[in-house]
Amino acid sequence: DAGVIQSPRHEVTEMGQEVTLRCKPISGHDYLFWYRQTMMRGLELLIYFNNNVPIDDSGMPEDRFSAKMPNASFSTLKIQPSEPRDSAVYFCASSSTQGSTDTQYFGPGTRLTVL
Amino acid sequence: DQQVKQNSPSLSVQEGRISILNCDYTNSMFDYFLWYKKYPAEGPTFLISISSIKDKNEDGRFTVFLNKSAKHLSLHIVPSQPGDSAVYFCAASLRTAGSYQLTFGKGTKLSVIP
Repeated sequence: DAGVIQSPRHEVTEMGQEVTLRCKPISGHDYLFWYRQTMMRGLELLIYFNNNVPIDDSGMPEDRFSAKMPNASFSTLKIQPSEPRDSAVYFCASSSTQGSTDTQYFGPGTRLTVL
Repeated sequence: DQQVKQNSPSLSVQEGRISILNCDYTNSMFDYFLWYKKYPAEGPTFLISISSIKDKNEDGRFTVFLNKSAKHLSLHIVPSQPGDSAVYFCAASLRTAGSYQLTFGKGTKLSVIP
């Protein structure tokens, strides 16, 4: 299995621009999580989906952030408009509640820099 | 309000010795705990976990201990190897409440000196 795939790996943009981060979870996993990692706050959960349905988005910092999961194999995290304080590493993770595999598998992350 | 705390940002250990990484939590409802390991430019990877009904879980060189009364868990690595140098995150969840959401600590950077 290819694992969780994220794109792009690096994104540099200017303040005010729209940014879209993409994630392909592991096939068969029914949970998908978006995290943000910063020096100040560590690894924090932004939103998670179960069977493509958003379950908890209380970690989304502002209305500028939105996430979608149109199908079981694809999710996006969008920031519009982006601000310098959004600069961070964004991770996507997936997990399966079937069988004994219930730990989260993380993608390599997208390093976002907003100038 | 940080529910999972790793109070040591960094730790240095000689190769072959024991590494002990500590984690404290405040929510007594947490019932499942995990340790993740992260190398630079990679995502965290699962290392070992423990249910709140146990006080110890061992997997090779890695052992996790849970002290529920103290709301404390620790990860022991014996013997430590240079390849263990990474950032280690402690995480907790509320499995019996049907939540697979993880709350992470800020991590401890372990350096194993050859």
